[in-house]
Amino acid sequence: DIQMTQSPSTLSASVGDRVTITCRASQSLSSWLAWYQQKPGKAPKLLIYQASSLESGVPSRFSGSGAGTEFTLTISSLQPDDFATYYCQQYNNYPWTFGQGTKVEIK
Amino acid sequence: QVQLQESGPGLVKPSETLSLTCIMSGGSMRNYYWTWIRQPSGKRLEWIGYIYNTGTTTYNPSLKSRVTISIDTSKNQFSLELSSVTAADTAVYYCARDRHAGTDYWGQGTLVTVSS
Repeated sequence: DIQMTQSPSTLSASVGDRVTITCRASQSLSSWLAWYQQKPGKAPKLLIYQASSLESGVPSRFSGSGAGTEFTLTISSLQPDDFATYYCQQYNNYPWTFGQGTKVEIK
Repeated sequence: QVQLQESGPGLVKPSETLSLTCIMSGGSMRNYYWTWIRQPSGKRLEWIGYIYNTGTTTYNPSLKSRVTISIDTSKNQFSLELSSVTAADTAVYYCARDRHAGTDYWGQGTLVTVSS
């Protein structure tokens, strides 16, 4: 299985901050990577697919970049609604696998 | 707007079979992969497997010997069976739609606890 490792595991930030989350894969994914946002007690929400494509309806402050084994999710100006846990997911090789999550907390 | 809703027992005894159904509304089942994903409390998401609208399945090898996913497109629903469950199978189970460009629609999730 492809191992997905996110960093950091927890991030403390303030409203208005620029936030970057990194996801590293144990082997190359090309660009077959997605990012999700999950709030407590809710299902994940797709934010980014194919590493850098913004899902319809997702605010433009979210962006994704990277290819191969290293990827980033950036929130350009953190908003109150953005405090949540973020997961990366690879869909290059079966089984699809997820990172361990990055919790974005209020500083 | 596609909506997905899981249903099934919230409590299953060890060694028995977990059975869940997902009803899809607001869209077509054609040309998508209908997926089951689970999440133990406080842990990362785990992809269980999916079924294409034609009935072709792909499973996580770690669960393959115990998993069956089936589909009934006439009823807009698909199902999960996981046999010989243990406490390690306790999790929130999500049904979802995968388009091979991310998983874009998810059910609300249903907690299944394995306990005697």
